[in-house]
Amino acid sequence: DAKTTQPPSMDCAEGRAANLPCNHSTISGNEYVYWYRQIHSQGPQYIIHGLKNNETNEMASLIITEDRKSSTLILPHATLRDTAVYYCIVRLAGVSGAGSYQLTFGKGTKLSVIP
Amino acid sequence: DVKVTQSSRYLVKRTGEKVFLECVQDMDHENMFWYRQDPGLGLRLIYFSYDVKMKEKGDIPEGYSVSREKKERFSLILESASTNQTSMYLCASSASGANYGYTFGSGTRLTVV
Repeated sequence: DAKTTQPPSMDCAEGRAANLPCNHSTISGNEYVYWYRQIHSQGPQYIIHGLKNNETNEMASLIITEDRKSSTLILPHATLRDTAVYYCIVRLAGVSGAGSYQLTFGKGTKLSVIP
Repeated sequence: DVKVTQSSRYLVKRTGEKVFLECVQDMDHENMFWYRQDPGLGLRLIYFSYDVKMKEKGDIPEGYSVSREKKERFSLILESASTNQTSMYLCASSASGANYGYTFGSGTRLTVV
């Protein structure tokens, strides 16, 4: 799986949009971009994923650049409860067998939402 | 909502004890996973299973075994607990195919003394 690079930490004012970047310059054409977050002392929580197109759900938006080498997770109106570590992960699609099921977590970005 | 339930939130065990960590999911997912999480090391995959009675080693299987006798249940076994197995253990499940996210349990914080 392609490696991802994220800033170790970011701050965001409460009520503002939080934009979390991720570089995945070695991503291949059949790899998805996934985002998870982990609030302190809890298990990681799935946020969103995408392949080529931008995606939006009730939690966030995912913007993937045209060359797919980077992406941005957007939390449109950050709240204090969004303070967490955010993980960007790339994962193979369309590959069968046990090896395709792994998610490899990096160190993520620690987002602090400031009142 | 998909639910992944881990049997214990906190456990304290003695060195040399056999330890069972249980995980149950209620969404008929084919795949189940065990990770451990340590400060500075992030989440590391121990074992996973993509079907009943099937298992695959992850990145750090040494000192652990697993059992999956039923689709909904995936157990992690520490045959002889050691202090370096003190950690947060996280179970996850997912449907088959790369277009599905993982659902994680709340974790079990195991302390081996």
